[in-house]
Amino acid sequence: QQQVKQSPQSLIVQKGGISIINCAYENTAFDYFPWYQQFPGKGPALLIAIRPDVSEKKEGRFTISFNKSAKQFSLHIMDSQPGDSATYFCAASPSLTPLVFGKGTRLSVIA
Amino acid sequence: GAVVSQHPSRVICKSGTSVKIECRSLDFQATTMFWYRQFPKQSLMLMATSNEGSKATYEQGVEKDKFLINHASLTLSTLTVTSAHPEDSSFYICSASPKGSDTQYFGPGTRLTVL
Repeated sequence: QQQVKQSPQSLIVQKGGISIINCAYENTAFDYFPWYQQFPGKGPALLIAIRPDVSEKKEGRFTISFNKSAKQFSLHIMDSQPGDSATYFCAASPSLTPLVFGKGTRLSVIA
Repeated sequence: GAVVSQHPSRVICKSGTSVKIECRSLDFQATTMFWYRQFPKQSLMLMATSNEGSKATYEQGVEKDKFLINHASLTLSTLTVTSAHPEDSSFYICSASPKGSDTQYFGPGTRLTVL
């Protein structure tokens, strides 16, 4: 019940396309859902986060869609660029407790 | 804002020696810090949660006598890998949360290689 299932494991997208990464959870106590971007040899960087009281949050080219009833949330990267090539992790937690991370998605954006 | 630093970024040591890794929140006070371990092409594995002024809470399977965590101030936590062995070689990453916040800000990580 503590797991966060992330898919796909890897993703190849053409430059300018939309990258979509999905996550699903079981624990209904989760109420904080961040996405992190990690480049090789670096620590994860917070991209965007959402709480269950909203269904969508957009920051620049990054959008989180959240479906509370389905217990799913996804990251959309619009106009994907080669510089977006990285590993993306979704995470979730109940308030003020350690994050549970998905296994990660390796995104490659090709020209 | 919300910068977390780690030192050193890379360390190589001999088997049997101890290594200390520092994690600092540079522009905020972190009541809670987390230590993770990450193997190549894998997700982050939480090792322990440390709260300022109290003992760290270790995850199941993490040896508290081997991975000593000290959170002496609101801006500094240290992880000491004692009697390191080659199997301890990994990428260690800390994160910090401001008081009352769910947001975790990660450090750049420390690559430990034990020969």
